[in-house]
Amino acid sequence: GAVVSQHPSWVICKSGTSVKIECRSLDFQATTMFWYRQFPKQSLMLMATSNEGSKATYEQGVEKDKFLINHASLTLSTLTVTSAHPEDSSFYICSARGPGGDTEAFFGQGTRLTVV
Amino acid sequence: GQNIDQPTEMTATEGAIVQINCTYQTSGFNGLFWYQQHAGEAPTFLSYNVLDGLEEKGRFSSFLSRSKGYSYLLLKELQMKDSASYLCAVVDSNYQLIWGAGTKLIIKP
Repeated sequence: GAVVSQHPSWVICKSGTSVKIECRSLDFQATTMFWYRQFPKQSLMLMATSNEGSKATYEQGVEKDKFLINHASLTLSTLTVTSAHPEDSSFYICSARGPGGDTEAFFGQGTRLTVV
Repeated sequence: GQNIDQPTEMTATEGAIVQINCTYQTSGFNGLFWYQQHAGEAPTFLSYNVLDGLEEKGRFSSFLSRSKGYSYLLLKELQMKDSASYLCAVVDSNYQLIWGAGTKLIIKP
């Protein structure tokens, strides 16, 4: 199947700093990318949806100025957590889909963010 | 609103069969996915149904009834490695994925 590469796999940062997470589709054009957050023992929570070349659509309650999403090309989307706080510590997962309604979503490996 | 319901947790015995149900109410329907997620890892694709009926793939099968807004994932010959969360996701009329909360499956020897 298609491959989505997410980097880094884990990161520890100090409170107040910013962290960038990359999501790349390696062998297909990802017209849509999704960013999720998952707290321990909880379900995936969609943060935002981004279409290549357009501004991301954020879910209710997600601060767009804090979680900056860029989807500048058909193979790369980035999520930047700005001015991170300990409560931002979580598992962040990206997924990507190609064009067409029946295409499955391929997931990145996820990024474990710990803010200290 | 849009809603997907799955049982929170299920327990089954190694070697047995288990059926995980998923009911949905969404604005439109363009298919239903099942994913498996082990703790601390990203979900992995299991199946996709868009037409009514049963799709079989090895030990795993997925069933869909669009008129009933219902799907199930059937796991046969359970193995310990099948212990994971199983996520049901529906593609709505805007081609967005709507996720269920997942069913934690515990396999006992």
